[in-house]
Amino acid sequence: AQSVSQHNHHVILSEAASLELGCNYSYGGTVNLFWYVQYPGQHLQLLLKYFSGDPLVKGIKGFEAEFIKSKFSFNLRKPSVQWSDTAEYFCAVNARGGGFKTIFGAGTRLFVKA
Amino acid sequence: DVKVTQSSRYLVKRTGEKVFLECVQDMDHENMFWYRQDPGLGLRLIYFSYDVKMKEKGDIPEGYSVSREKKERFSLILESASTNQTSMYLCASSPGDNSYEQYFGPGTRLTVT
Repeated sequence: AQSVSQHNHHVILSEAASLELGCNYSYGGTVNLFWYVQYPGQHLQLLLKYFSGDPLVKGIKGFEAEFIKSKFSFNLRKPSVQWSDTAEYFCAVNARGGGFKTIFGAGTRLFVKA
Repeated sequence: DVKVTQSSRYLVKRTGEKVFLECVQDMDHENMFWYRQDPGLGLRLIYFSYDVKMKEKGDIPEGYSVSREKKERFSLILESASTNQTSMYLCASSPGDNSYEQYFGPGTRLTVT
């Protein structure tokens, strides 16, 4: 069965610090990969996605993620976080050819100190 | 913009009550989903539907049922609510093409007492 593992449940950073949130998945086939973000009091929304091509994908608000197939990883990065990045971040995986079911990780709560 | 709306933001029900959670999307999406979101567990899929009157069980369907009579509307039903169903319920939709990107509603926080 597919699973998604997010390494950190809570991360606290100061503004301007660099961010890297880990995500690993277990599935041997081809996958579609996503990072979703939920800001306080707001809907869950797509941050970025990877389907194919360049394994380094860029999303909104300066976020990027790198797909490393050999490591089954899709880590999220941002060089310099802002207070407004305080949110919960979810990694998600969809097995290509496996229908529309998407598996979500447990989430990482990021708190950025001003 | 895709809009996914849910009938209630907050709901308080008693144990044993029948509960209906409604979700409506306005973008003619083929697929709709119901998740529950619990701290430390992320989003867990309850049911999804890929067409009108079609439904598939997700990972945690026990105690829930769904109904999709119209393309834009997907209802989650708790036949007899229990305290362990206290949670945040999220509805989502996605197009029928190969994008797989999901659009989420604001969620319904259900408390069962």
